[in-house]
Amino acid sequence: AQSVTQLDSQVPVFEEAPVELRCNYSSSVSVYLFWYVQYPNQGLQLLLKYLSGSTLVKGINGFEAEFNKSQTSFHLRKPSVHISDTAEYFCAVSEGVQNGGFKTIFGAGTRLFVKA
Amino acid sequence: KAGVTQTPRYLIKTRGQQVTLSCSPISGHRSVSWYQQTPGQGLQFLFEYFSETQRNKGNFPGRFSGRQFSNSRSEMNVSTLELGDSALYLCASSPGLAGLADTQYFGPGTRLTVL
Repeated sequence: AQSVTQLDSQVPVFEEAPVELRCNYSSSVSVYLFWYVQYPNQGLQLLLKYLSGSTLVKGINGFEAEFNKSQTSFHLRKPSVHISDTAEYFCAVSEGVQNGGFKTIFGAGTRLFVKA
Repeated sequence: KAGVTQTPRYLIKTRGQQVTLSCSPISGHRSVSWYQQTPGQGLQFLFEYFSETQRNKGNFPGRFSGRQFSNSRSEMNVSTLELGDSALYLCASSPGLAGLADTQYFGPGTRLTVL
């Protein structure tokens, strides 16, 4: 079974500073990787996903992530954060089953706190 | 298009009762997944439905069940509620065409409190 490890439970950062949220996964087969964001009292929203092709993936709100197969990592980055980026961020991997079904395995989440 | 809707948004039940949660997917989406989110366990997969068939199930006891209707709307049921079932239950829909590569669109969740 696949697993996802988010290396930081909380990341405090000042506004306009760069940020990196780290994610490692374990998988022996093709990998589909996702980053989701959850704002308080809301559901999850997709930031970006990696399916294949270019290892640098650009998403919404200025976020990007780099897929590194040798290090089994999929770190999320933003060059300059805003107060409104304060939220919880989840790294996830999709795992398929023979009948075409699937499930998404989420990391424990990283709470990004942007300070003024 | 309207997003994923979940009803009710908040629910308070007592131990031993049962509860039914409802999810209406985005129009045209045929796959619906359910997740349980708790502070201790994080986001855990419950089940996934496609065209009224359960295709995958997570590691939850049989008290947790679900179904999907012909219009893709889905319900999940929890019987004999326990205190540990208190959680945010999230529903997500996807087109269902690309399987595990699909983007999932999440509803706002149903906050279940068991007293």
